[in-house]
Amino acid sequence: NAGVTQTPKFQVLKTGQSMTLQCAQDMNHNSMYWYRQDPGMGLRLIYYSASEGTTDKGEVPNGYNVSRLNKREFSLRLESAAPSQTSVYFCASTIGQQETQYFGPGTRLLVL
Amino acid sequence: GEDVEQSLFLSVREGDSSVINCTYTDSSSTYLYWYKQEPGAGLQLLTYIFSNMDMKQDQRLTVLLNKKDKHLSLRIADTQTGDSAIYFCALKGGTALIFGKGTTLSVSS
Repeated sequence: NAGVTQTPKFQVLKTGQSMTLQCAQDMNHNSMYWYRQDPGMGLRLIYYSASEGTTDKGEVPNGYNVSRLNKREFSLRLESAAPSQTSVYFCASTIGQQETQYFGPGTRLLVL
Repeated sequence: GEDVEQSLFLSVREGDSSVINCTYTDSSSTYLYWYKQEPGAGLQLLTYIFSNMDMKQDQRLTVLLNKKDKHLSLRIADTQTGDSAIYFCALKGGTALIFGKGTTLSVSS
């Protein structure tokens, strides 16, 4: 099992450009999440998907959209990137009664 | 909403014990978690404790839960340089986990 994979690993964008961050898991998990991590802020939830076909906003959804393409894939789109979106983005998925979250390796995004 | 607080930094010498503390406001979470993040990597689950337990031991790790004081701690015995990382406590808040801001553990030899 590859676990949770994310692409790309690094990306530099100019203000106003758009891009999609990809996430996939091969563990047959129902729930998937997108977080952003900023220095001194911990992890903040952007969007989550409790099951295929459903998505919900988290703590910081503004400027982002998501798509739960199927059970495996959950993508995060920045329609018009802003410098405030410079961050490290993590995708996670959840299994089991304990709701253990498994994290991907992250995408490091710099918006100039 | 749920608030999870941690001290930001902890510095210890190799071989000492490390204790990382966490306080929270909402006690309805069934499980409470400790995650570890090494430089440049994602978060990895270290351990978790069921809310009706007071203590859980897993090799060098001891988790203590004081529900009355809403206090969770992680003790690492015989701390090694490889334990240097950021440690996050987390609780279930609604449908997602709520994370503390993380404690950076620095281990000197």
